[in-house]
Amino acid sequence: DVKVTQSSRYLVKRTGEKVFLECVQDMDHENMFWYRQDPGLGLRLIYFSYDVKMKEKGDIPEGYSVSREKKERFSLILESASTNQTSMYLCASSSEVTGGQPEAFFGQGTRLTVV
Amino acid sequence: EDQVTQSPEALRLQEGESSSLNCSYTVSGLRGLFWYRQDPGKGPEFLFTLYSAGEEKEKERLKATLTKKESFLHITAPKPEDSATYLCAVQAYSSASKIIFGSGTRLSIRP
Repeated sequence: DVKVTQSSRYLVKRTGEKVFLECVQDMDHENMFWYRQDPGLGLRLIYFSYDVKMKEKGDIPEGYSVSREKKERFSLILESASTNQTSMYLCASSSEVTGGQPEAFFGQGTRLTVV
Repeated sequence: EDQVTQSPEALRLQEGESSSLNCSYTVSGLRGLFWYRQDPGKGPEFLFTLYSAGEEKEKERLKATLTKKESFLHITAPKPEDSATYLCAVQAYSSASKIIFGSGTRLSIRP
């Protein structure tokens, strides 16, 4: 079974803090994703990565950066946390192997509150 | 631009009352259409992948179908434990692995 593990279920941070959200997958997947989920807005893509050290902006990258130094690990960084970044953050991974299954598998989510 | 629209936003059914959820999509070259189930406070759980028009997949009381413009998730004789948010997503060949989600349908099944 695919396992995607996010480092924290709940986080409370202060405005202006630098925040790191970590995600690890154990299926050797090429692609990794960070989404945020807010009521009424669904899942919105922040960043994704299709290879080590490679990244692409999603629909809402402002205020965020990412790091992928190893294939299994994808980190989301909030450079200076603000209250409008209070949200549920979801990490996912998927395979890019030709003929393989393209669906994404998700972690359990991190509920971040910025006060 | 790739787009996914789900309807209705919310659906309340009586136990045993069958219905369908809709997912309309616009994408340039569909690589896959995905259905997920999400329980409150948890990450989405993968259900199905559909690749081409005419394809169908089934799992217990759920059946997903696909046309060139939309997908349906049919729920037959639902039980209260089927209550969840159901999410639809698409991936296009042209989008470098990007997966785009709809906003979901909140399904509630009354005993």
